[in-house]
Amino acid sequence: GQQVMQIPQYQHVQEGEDFTTYCNSSTTLSNIQWYKQRPGGHPVFLIQLVKSGEVKKQKRLTFQFGEAKKNSSLHITATQTTDVGTYFCAGPGAGKSTFGDGTTLTVKP
Amino acid sequence: GAVVSQHPSRVICKSGTSVKIECRSLDFQATTMFWYRQFPKQSLMLMATSNEGSKATYEQGVEKDKFLINHASLTLSTLTVTSAHPEDSSFYICSARSSYTYNEQFFGPGTRLTVL
Repeated sequence: GQQVMQIPQYQHVQEGEDFTTYCNSSTTLSNIQWYKQRPGGHPVFLIQLVKSGEVKKQKRLTFQFGEAKKNSSLHITATQTTDVGTYFCAGPGAGKSTFGDGTTLTVKP
Repeated sequence: GAVVSQHPSRVICKSGTSVKIECRSLDFQATTMFWYRQFPKQSLMLMATSNEGSKATYEQGVEKDKFLINHASLTLSTLTVTSAHPEDSSFYICSARSSYTYNEQFFGPGTRLTVL
């Protein structure tokens, strides 16, 4: 079945440093979604990418979808303490989404 | 964005009892609802997919007789953990998907189940 892998599993940065998480799928995806889960909270939808090579920005967050539509990345510029949490990518398949294992970001003030 | 509620947020029960968790889409009609289980510091494990008016589709390894799912309306799905045991203790999260936003899932706040 479809597998979605994320790296790194954990990332600890100093406030102001950049952060990137990578998502790779074993199969070509029609789209990919990104979610953020704050500690103790539930996942919140961030964005969906659909087109090959697509790049979308949300303030300090930049999302990319690979040309082959099998990988994606989330980059945060100049992290802030409010960015802490676990970032999941999810790829659709067979009417459901397969979530990656997530990358947990901690930010030291 | 769309709002999904879950009730209760926390429940503590004795081993052998059954617990029902409700998931409601408050401001949209959810054609599909998903139930996930999440262990500490781990990813979301999909348990089952439920479509309104039809039987839930369970993921491999999930016991359908233990985790009863009912999706009686376009705004309500319930998960009943029957004869709960301590190993069932976990964070259960539902999500709902609208026919208008095909892939975007709106998550409920989750239910923390502790079985003594």
